[in-house]
Amino acid sequence: KQEVTQIPAALSVPEGENLVLNCSFTDSAIYNLQWFRQDPGKGLTSLLLIQSSQREQTSGRLNASLDKSSGRSTLYIAASQPGDSATYLCAVTDTDKLIFGTGTRLQVFP
Amino acid sequence: DAGVIQSPRHEVTEMGQEVTLRCKPISGHNSLFWYRQTMMRGLELLIYFNNNVPIDDSGMPEDRFSAKMPNASFSTLKIQPSEPRDSAVYFCASRETRAFFGQGTRLTVV
Repeated sequence: KQEVTQIPAALSVPEGENLVLNCSFTDSAIYNLQWFRQDPGKGLTSLLLIQSSQREQTSGRLNASLDKSSGRSTLYIAASQPGDSATYLCAVTDTDKLIFGTGTRLQVFP
Repeated sequence: DAGVIQSPRHEVTEMGQEVTLRCKPISGHNSLFWYRQTMMRGLELLIYFNNNVPIDDSGMPEDRFSAKMPNASFSTLKIQPSEPRDSAVYFCASRETRAFFGQGTRLTVV
């Protein structure tokens, strides 16, 4: 059974820092991995999608990498801003299912 | 496209009542997912459909829960009878490659 874990569970940093959020999965037979952002009381917003054949994807200040063999993905946030404060979730597509990690709650303070 | 549309946004009902949650997926997406989110358990996959066909409903907690997708543009999640422990935010998502989420329905059963 695929299990997805995210570390750390919570993170509080000053504005301007570069951040790394981690996502681990137990079964490397995935089709893709997706990173989401969730603001309090809101739905999930898709940030980046990495196909299983890809190593990384970039969007603005965000960069996500994927290492299938080790079952890991990282989300790198450059020059963090208070507006980046949210919960970040990774999800793997395993067969057809989209299986989520537990999330990292990020707070960026001015 | 307006994205994934869920209704209602909020629902408060009394224990024992029937509750129906609705979802309109993004046009052209061939997969649809229903999730439940609580503080204790995070995001749980309840059921998903491919091309309107239920593929895996192993996450449906009890027989009180049922889901249908009569056509490619509409799905329902029904709880009958509802119980206080069903209180949660219910999300619908659709996907062709990248998954997109609706804003969720916040259900409170009193």
